[in-house]
Amino acid sequence: KAGVTQTPRYLIKTRGQQVTLSCSPISGHRSVSWYQQTPGQGLQFLFEYFSETQRNKGNFPGRFSGRQFSNSRSEMNVSTLELGDSALYLCVWSRGWGSTEAFFGQGTRLTVV
Amino acid sequence: EDKVVQSPLSLVVHEGDTVTLNCSYEVTNFRSLLWYKQEKKAPTFLFMLTSSGIEKKSGRLSSILDKKELSSILNITATQTGDSAIYLCAGPNDMRFGAGTRLTVKP
Repeated sequence: KAGVTQTPRYLIKTRGQQVTLSCSPISGHRSVSWYQQTPGQGLQFLFEYFSETQRNKGNFPGRFSGRQFSNSRSEMNVSTLELGDSALYLCVWSRGWGSTEAFFGQGTRLTVV
Repeated sequence: EDKVVQSPLSLVVHEGDTVTLNCSYEVTNFRSLLWYKQEKKAPTFLFMLTSSGIEKKSGRLSSILDKKELSSILNITATQTGDSAIYLCAGPNDMRFGAGTRLTVKP
Protein backbone atom coordinates (compact mmCIF):
# COMPACT_ATOMS: atom_id res chain seq x y z
CA LYS A 1 0.00 0.00 0.00
CA ALA A 2 1.36 3.40 -0.93
CA GLY A 3 2.77 5.42 1.91
CA VAL A 4 5.48 3.22 3.41
CA THR A 5 8.78 4.81 2.49
CA GLN A 6 12.13 3.20 3.10
CA THR A 7 15.36 5.07 2.52
CA PRO A 8 17.79 4.64 1.02
CA ARG A 9 16.76 2.08 -1.57
CA TYR A 10 20.30 0.93 -2.25
CA LEU A 11 23.43 1.24 -0.21
CA ILE A 12 27.02 0.06 -0.52
CA LYS A 13 29.22 0.09 2.55
CA THR A 14 32.59 -1.34 3.48
CA ARG A 15 33.30 -3.70 6.34
CA GLY A 16 33.58 -2.01 9.69
CA GLN A 17 31.37 0.91 8.78
CA GLN A 18 27.98 1.56 10.29
CA VAL A 19 24.69 2.21 8.54
CA THR A 20 21.31 3.70 9.40
CA LEU A 21 18.17 2.78 7.50
CA SER A 22 14.91 4.68 7.75
CA CYS A 23 11.25 3.74 7.40
CA SER A 24 8.29 6.10 7.43
CA PRO A 25 4.85 4.82 8.36
CA ILE A 26 1.38 4.84 6.99
CA SER A 27 -0.87 7.17 8.95
CA GLY A 28 -2.44 5.41 11.90
CA HIS A 29 -0.02 2.50 11.96
CA ARG A 30 2.01 2.34 15.13
CA SER A 31 3.67 -1.05 15.02
CA VAL A 32 6.77 -1.48 12.90
CA SER A 33 8.86 -4.58 12.44
CA TRP A 34 12.19 -4.93 10.70
CA TYR A 35 13.32 -8.00 8.80
CA GLN A 36 16.51 -9.09 7.12
CA GLN A 37 16.08 -11.14 3.96
CA THR A 38 18.82 -13.21 2.33
CA PRO A 39 18.64 -16.03 -0.21
CA GLY A 40 20.08 -18.51 2.24
CA GLN A 41 18.12 -17.70 5.40
CA GLY A 42 14.96 -16.18 4.00
CA LEU A 43 13.12 -13.57 6.00
CA GLN A 44 14.49 -13.19 9.51
CA PHE A 45 12.86 -11.10 12.22
CA LEU A 46 15.05 -8.36 13.67
CA PHE A 47 12.82 -6.40 16.06
CA GLU A 48 9.46 -4.81 16.54
CA TYR A 49 8.56 -1.40 17.92
CA PHE A 50 5.23 -0.12 19.15
CA SER A 51 4.70 3.40 20.42
CA GLU A 52 8.45 4.03 20.59
CA THR A 53 9.10 0.90 22.68
CA GLN A 54 10.84 -2.23 21.53
CA ARG A 55 8.32 -5.00 22.03
CA ASN A 56 10.15 -8.00 20.57
CA LYS A 57 13.63 -8.79 19.38
CA GLY A 58 14.95 -11.54 17.13
CA ASN A 59 18.17 -13.50 17.41
CA PHE A 60 20.57 -10.96 16.00
CA PRO A 61 23.75 -9.63 17.62
CA GLY A 62 23.82 -6.35 19.47
CA ARG A 63 25.32 -4.64 16.40
CA PHE A 64 21.73 -4.46 15.15
CA SER A 65 19.62 -1.87 16.87
CA GLY A 66 16.52 0.13 16.17
CA ARG A 67 14.35 2.90 17.41
CA GLN A 68 10.98 4.46 16.82
CA PHE A 69 10.30 8.17 17.10
CA SER A 70 7.28 10.00 18.45
CA ASN A 71 6.06 10.59 14.88
CA SER A 72 6.16 6.79 14.41
CA ARG A 73 9.06 6.90 11.96
CA SER A 74 11.55 4.14 12.60
CA GLU A 75 15.25 3.64 12.04
CA MET A 76 17.51 0.67 12.30
CA ASN A 77 21.24 0.82 12.72
CA VAL A 78 23.93 -1.73 12.05
CA SER A 79 27.38 -1.05 13.44
CA THR A 80 30.69 -2.66 12.50
CA LEU A 81 29.31 -4.06 9.28
CA GLU A 82 30.27 -7.54 8.17
CA LEU A 83 30.07 -9.08 4.71
CA GLY A 84 27.25 -11.30 5.94
CA ASP A 85 25.10 -8.28 6.66
CA SER A 86 24.54 -7.86 2.93
CA ALA A 87 20.80 -8.33 2.52
CA LEU A 88 17.48 -6.76 1.75
CA TYR A 89 16.10 -5.01 4.83
CA LEU A 90 12.33 -4.66 4.98
CA CYS A 91 10.16 -2.73 7.36
CA VAL A 92 6.57 -3.76 7.93
CA TRP A 93 3.79 -1.65 9.42
CA SER A 94 0.60 -2.75 11.09
CA ARG A 95 -1.90 -1.19 13.47
CA GLY A 96 -0.65 -3.31 16.35
CA TRP A 97 -1.58 -6.47 18.15
CA GLY A 98 -4.34 -8.37 16.46
CA SER A 99 -4.02 -6.41 13.26
CA THR A 100 -4.96 -8.31 10.15
CA GLU A 101 -2.99 -6.26 7.65
CA ALA A 102 0.67 -5.64 7.09
CA PHE A 103 2.18 -3.04 4.80
CA PHE A 104 5.70 -3.42 3.53
CA GLY A 105 8.23 -0.86 2.52
CA GLN A 106 10.11 -1.37 -0.74
CA GLY A 107 13.19 -2.38 1.19
CA THR A 108 16.78 -1.25 1.36
CA ARG A 109 19.31 -3.36 -0.49
CA LEU A 110 22.52 -3.21 1.56
CA THR A 111 25.75 -4.49 0.08
CA VAL A 112 28.81 -4.75 2.29
CA VAL A 113 32.13 -5.01 0.46
CA GLU B 1 5.27 -14.40 20.99
CA ASP B 2 3.99 -16.15 17.89
CA LYS B 3 6.20 -18.55 15.97
CA VAL B 4 5.73 -19.23 12.28
CA VAL B 5 7.54 -21.95 10.34
CA GLN B 6 7.32 -22.39 6.58
CA SER B 7 8.33 -25.37 4.49
CA PRO B 8 9.97 -26.09 2.20
CA LEU B 9 12.41 -23.19 2.10
CA SER B 10 12.78 -23.59 -1.65
CA LEU B 11 11.04 -25.50 -4.36
CA VAL B 12 11.68 -25.97 -8.08
CA VAL B 13 8.90 -27.25 -10.35
CA HIS B 14 7.97 -27.20 -14.02
CA GLU B 15 5.12 -25.35 -15.63
CA GLY B 16 1.85 -27.16 -15.19
CA ASP B 17 2.81 -28.78 -11.90
CA THR B 18 0.75 -28.34 -8.75
CA VAL B 19 2.56 -27.18 -5.62
CA THR B 20 1.67 -27.10 -1.94
CA LEU B 21 3.39 -24.72 0.42
CA ASN B 22 3.14 -25.17 4.17
CA CYS B 23 2.92 -22.79 7.09
CA SER B 24 2.68 -23.89 10.69
CA TYR B 25 2.25 -21.62 13.65
CA GLU B 26 2.33 -21.59 17.42
CA VAL B 27 0.16 -18.91 18.94
CA THR B 28 -1.64 -18.15 22.13
CA ASN B 29 -4.79 -16.66 20.68
CA PHE B 30 -5.44 -17.15 17.01
CA ARG B 31 -6.98 -14.28 15.06
CA SER B 32 -5.85 -14.62 11.45
CA LEU B 33 -3.10 -15.89 9.20
CA LEU B 34 -1.90 -14.01 6.15
CA TRP B 35 -0.27 -15.13 2.91
CA TYR B 36 1.89 -12.83 0.80
CA LYS B 37 3.70 -13.11 -2.52
CA GLN B 38 7.05 -11.40 -3.02
CA GLU B 39 8.22 -11.05 -6.59
CA LYS B 40 10.70 -8.20 -6.43
CA LYS B 41 10.93 -6.30 -3.19
CA ALA B 42 7.77 -5.46 -1.28
CA PRO B 43 5.49 -8.48 -0.75
CA THR B 44 1.91 -8.19 -1.88
CA PHE B 45 -1.13 -9.52 -0.05
CA LEU B 46 -2.75 -12.77 -1.20
CA PHE B 47 -5.09 -14.18 1.44
CA MET B 48 -6.26 -13.74 4.98
CA LEU B 49 -7.64 -16.75 6.80
CA THR B 50 -9.64 -16.37 9.99
CA SER B 51 -11.62 -18.63 12.26
CA SER B 52 -14.74 -17.86 10.24
CA GLY B 53 -13.06 -18.11 6.85
CA ILE B 54 -10.77 -21.09 6.71
CA GLU B 55 -10.58 -21.47 2.93
CA LYS B 56 -9.87 -18.87 0.30
CA LYS B 57 -9.48 -19.19 -3.46
CA SER B 58 -8.36 -16.86 -6.19
CA GLY B 59 -7.87 -18.30 -9.63
CA ARG B 60 -5.25 -21.01 -9.48
CA LEU B 61 -4.30 -20.15 -5.91
CA SER B 62 -6.11 -21.45 -2.88
CA SER B 63 -5.37 -21.59 0.81
CA ILE B 64 -6.79 -23.65 3.64
CA LEU B 65 -6.48 -23.21 7.37
CA ASP B 66 -6.35 -26.21 9.66
CA LYS B 67 -6.92 -24.85 13.14
CA LYS B 68 -6.63 -28.26 14.71
CA GLU B 69 -3.17 -28.82 13.23
CA LEU B 70 -2.22 -25.15 13.62
CA SER B 71 -1.19 -24.97 10.00
CA SER B 72 -2.13 -23.60 6.63
CA ILE B 73 -1.35 -24.65 3.09
CA LEU B 74 -1.15 -22.60 -0.08
CA ASN B 75 -1.92 -24.53 -3.25
CA ILE B 76 -1.04 -23.39 -6.74
CA THR B 77 -2.39 -25.46 -9.60
CA ALA B 78 -1.16 -25.44 -13.21
CA THR B 79 1.86 -23.37 -12.22
CA GLN B 80 3.25 -20.76 -14.60
CA THR B 81 6.65 -19.09 -14.73
CA GLY B 82 4.98 -15.96 -13.40
CA ASP B 83 4.27 -17.80 -10.16
CA SER B 84 7.99 -17.78 -9.41
CA ALA B 85 8.32 -15.79 -6.21
CA ILE B 86 8.84 -16.02 -2.49
CA TYR B 87 5.67 -16.90 -0.63
CA LEU B 88 5.37 -15.67 2.95
CA CYS B 89 2.90 -16.40 5.68
CA ALA B 90 2.43 -14.21 8.72
CA GLY B 91 1.51 -15.18 12.25
CA PRO B 92 -1.81 -14.15 13.56
CA ASN B 93 -1.16 -11.79 16.40
CA ASP B 94 2.06 -9.86 16.26
CA MET B 95 2.35 -10.04 12.45
CA ARG B 96 5.39 -12.30 12.63
CA PHE B 97 6.44 -13.65 9.24
CA GLY B 98 7.95 -17.01 8.45
CA ALA B 99 11.20 -17.29 6.49
CA GLY B 100 9.29 -17.85 3.27
CA THR B 101 9.26 -20.46 0.50
CA ARG B 102 11.14 -19.59 -2.67
CA LEU B 103 9.23 -21.11 -5.59
CA THR B 104 10.87 -21.40 -8.99
CA VAL B 105 8.74 -22.52 -11.92
CA LYS B 106 10.73 -23.63 -14.95
CA PRO B 107 9.34 -23.54 -18.50
